[in-house]
Amino acid sequence: GDSVTQMEGPVTLSEEAFLTINCTYTATGYPSLFWYVQYPGEGLQLLLKATKADDKGSNKGFEATYRKETTSFHLEKGSVQVSDSAVYFCALMHYNQGGKLIFGQGTELSVKP
Amino acid sequence: DGGITQSPKYLFRKEGQNVTLSCEQNLNHDAMYWYRQDPGQGLRLIYYSQIVNDFQKGDIAEGYSVSREKKESFPLTVTSAQKNPTAFYLCASTAALQEGNTEAFFGQGTRLTVV
Repeated sequence: GDSVTQMEGPVTLSEEAFLTINCTYTATGYPSLFWYVQYPGEGLQLLLKATKADDKGSNKGFEATYRKETTSFHLEKGSVQVSDSAVYFCALMHYNQGGKLIFGQGTELSVKP
Repeated sequence: DGGITQSPKYLFRKEGQNVTLSCEQNLNHDAMYWYRQDPGQGLRLIYYSQIVNDFQKGDIAEGYSVSREKKESFPLTVTSAQKNPTAFYLCASTAALQEGNTEAFFGQGTRLTVV
């Protein structure tokens, strides 16, 4: 079945450092890909998405490109802030299979001043 | 403001009790979902419903039940048959699913603890 694999955390960075969180997936067909962010004690918020190969999703300085050839959707940000500290989830969905999200295990990011 | 409301935020269950978690949305979304989150793990799908009066099991449906009598409501019951119910439960919804329109919106979650 389909699956998503993320790099293990926690990831600890200094403020203004460059961030990469790796995400690879296994899926049939052409799923949509997502990054969600979760702050402590809260639900998930959509950070960005890409619905077809070579699409780049971007939001709040974060970017990820849908790479069909490497089945990857790595999350990047050029300069992280303390407020970016959260858990980040990579996920995939087939819109024609009920819209069920398949998640990676999450990567905790901690940004120090 | 439109959104998804889950209640209660915290819930405590005694051994052998059934408890019901509420999920209400005013986004006019067709599909609704329940996910379970355990520490250090991703979310896993419990049940989902694409239309009123219809729902399907997800990957971990055993010990749970749902109903979808109204478009805006999708309550989850954690039964006594669920042996390890302590977890964070998240409800989500999506509009009519079509290519390029696949965003899911999440509630704030309910933390269930067995005491």
